Amino acid sequence: EAAVTQSPRNKVTVTGGNVTLSCRQTNSHNYMYWYRQDTGHGLRLIHYSYGAGNLQIGDVPDGYKATRTTQEDFFLLLELASPSQTSLYFCASSDGDWGWEQYFGPGTRLTVL
Amino acid sequence: GDSVTQTEGLVTLTEGLPVMLNCTYQTIYSNPFLFWYVQHLNESPRLLLKSFTDNKRTEHQGFHATLHKSSSSFHLQKSSAQLSDSALYYCARRGSGTYQRFGTGTKLQVVP
Repeated sequence: EAAVTQSPRNKVTVTGGNVTLSCRQTNSHNYMYWYRQDTGHGLRLIHYSYGAGNLQIGDVPDGYKATRTTQEDFFLLLELASPSQTSLYFCASSDGDWGWEQYFGPGTRLTVL
Repeated sequence: GDSVTQTEGLVTLTEGLPVMLNCTYQTIYSNPFLFWYVQHLNESPRLLLKSFTDNKRTEHQGFHATLHKSSSSFHLQKSSAQLSDSALYYCARRGSGTYQRFGTGTKLQVVP
């Protein structure tokens, strides 16, 4: 079974702060995704990647950067965090594109004060 | 567009009654791929079932769904709700890129 880990699991920062969320998957999946989950909005795609060095823009990319350094590691960067970015963030991976099962990490709860 | 529309908000059912969570979609593709994910409290979403074939019933863990292209629907059903079915359910479909587009989720609460 796919293993996706995220760190930190919880993060509190202040408005204007810098935050980096990390995701690692250990099953050699090509695709990795970053989502935010908010009540009433569901899971919304921020950025995704289909390989090291590749980055694709999702549905809600404003205020977020991402970088895929290796096949295993995908980072989400908030360079000037705002309270509107308070959310539960999930990373996911899959072996293929839209037709394949996505495996989700445990999530990172981010609070921006 | 490539949107997904689900039963909104909270659905409360008495244990033993049938479950039906609605999902309809809009698509520009002739071959839509549809998914149901389930997320229990304090857990991550995980795939429950998926379908790529028109009018074919797909089953898993007591749940079933049938993709109907004619009505652009993929409703999730179960004959008898259990307390352990209480969770958040997401319908998803292929997006315009190499990703899946999720609906807003339906929270199912099963009570004794």
